[in-house]
Amino acid sequence: QKEVEQNSGPLSVPEGAIASLNCTYSDRGSQSFFWYRQYSGKSPELIMFIYSNGDKEDGRFTAQLNKASQYVSLLIRDSQPSDSATYLCAVNTYNAGNNRKLIWGLGTSLAVNP
Amino acid sequence: NAGVTQTPKFQVLKTGQSMTLQCAQDMNHNSMYWYRQDPGMGLRLIYYSASEGTTDKGEVPNGYNVSRLNKREFSLRLESAAPSQTSVYFCAITGTALSEQYFGPGTRLTVT
Repeated sequence: QKEVEQNSGPLSVPEGAIASLNCTYSDRGSQSFFWYRQYSGKSPELIMFIYSNGDKEDGRFTAQLNKASQYVSLLIRDSQPSDSATYLCAVNTYNAGNNRKLIWGLGTSLAVNP
Repeated sequence: NAGVTQTPKFQVLKTGQSMTLQCAQDMNHNSMYWYRQDPGMGLRLIYYSASEGTTDKGEVPNGYNVSRLNKREFSLRLESAAPSQTSVYFCAITGTALSEQYFGPGTRLTVT
């Protein structure tokens, strides 16, 4: 059974701090890794993806991938109250063309306190 | 949710009733997906379609059927609704690039 695990939280950080969200996965054949943000009552929105070991930065977001340890993390710098949401980790273990079957974690709830 | 639309937004059914959830995209992507999202269960893939005319089962296909009518539209049908199908249903599409992943706004379905 392929699994993706995340701490459910809630993770609470003060405004301006760094929020660190973690995700581990079980399938060593996993190829690409995604972070989605989901506001309450809304649909998931892709915010970052990564497929090579190391760090990938996009604005205030940094995704980190360590395939040897089978974890992927998301750092949010200078956290804002608008970052308060559930963050979903998803892992792609199959990709034929642009067909993407993702395994999803249950999400980590983040609360950024003003 | 630009590019992916779903209808209806909300629906209440009685056990045994049938209904079809509609999804349409205007982004010309080949792959389309139907997910359900339940508290404590996360997102689970019901069916997906790699291209017009093809469909495949996902993780939880029982009780559902799908139709990929054309490249734009992918519908999900519940033939005989059950309370266990109470959920939020999302349609999603993917393009060739990893960044091309979009969800529709969702349909909130309650089966009583």
